[in-house]
Amino acid sequence: GQQVMQIPQYQHVQEGEDFTTYCNSSTTLSNIQWYKQRPGGHPVFLIQLVKSGEVKKQKRLTFQFGEAKKNSSLHITATQTTDVGTYFCAGRQAGTALIFGKGTTLSVSS
Amino acid sequence: NAGVTQTPKFQVLKTGQSMTLQCAQDMNHNSMYWYRQDPGMGLRLIYYSASEGTTDKGEVPNGYNVSRLNKREFSLRLESAAPSQTSVYFCASSEFGGNSPLHFGNGTRLTVT
Repeated sequence: GQQVMQIPQYQHVQEGEDFTTYCNSSTTLSNIQWYKQRPGGHPVFLIQLVKSGEVKKQKRLTFQFGEAKKNSSLHITATQTTDVGTYFCAGRQAGTALIFGKGTTLSVSS
Repeated sequence: NAGVTQTPKFQVLKTGQSMTLQCAQDMNHNSMYWYRQDPGMGLRLIYYSASEGTTDKGEVPNGYNVSRLNKREFSLRLESAAPSQTSVYFCASSEFGGNSPLHFGNGTRLTVT
């Protein structure tokens, strides 16, 4: 079945350092979505990527979708303490429901 | 707008007991989902309903049943709870299946002893 792998599982950075999480699928995806979950909270939608090679930016966050539509990444520039949480990617094959990766938990020390 | 509302927020069950988790959305979304979240396992799809009147199994459907009561409501039933079903359960909805963002409820924390 469809699998979405995400690495690393945990990442600790000093405030101001950059952070990247990677998402890989065993199959070609129709689209990929990214979510953020704060400790004790629920996942909140960040962005969706649909096109091969697509790059989208939201302030300090940069999202990429691979050319083969099998991988994606989220890069945060100059992390802040407000970036703390777990970041999930979720991919979908055509005609199926979204499958989530296991997430990357980011901690930031000031 | 309330968005996605889940009840209850917390529940403790004994092994073998049954219960129904309720979920309702007020965004007129077509698709609804039930996920469970366990430490280190991410979010795993239990069941989903692409549209009113349809339901499909997800990654981990065993031990669960669902009902799409109407467009607004999607319930999850545990007929005979087991300790392995201790988890945080999230309901979500989206406008048009997997092409639209998912809106999550606040979750139900279930413990089975």
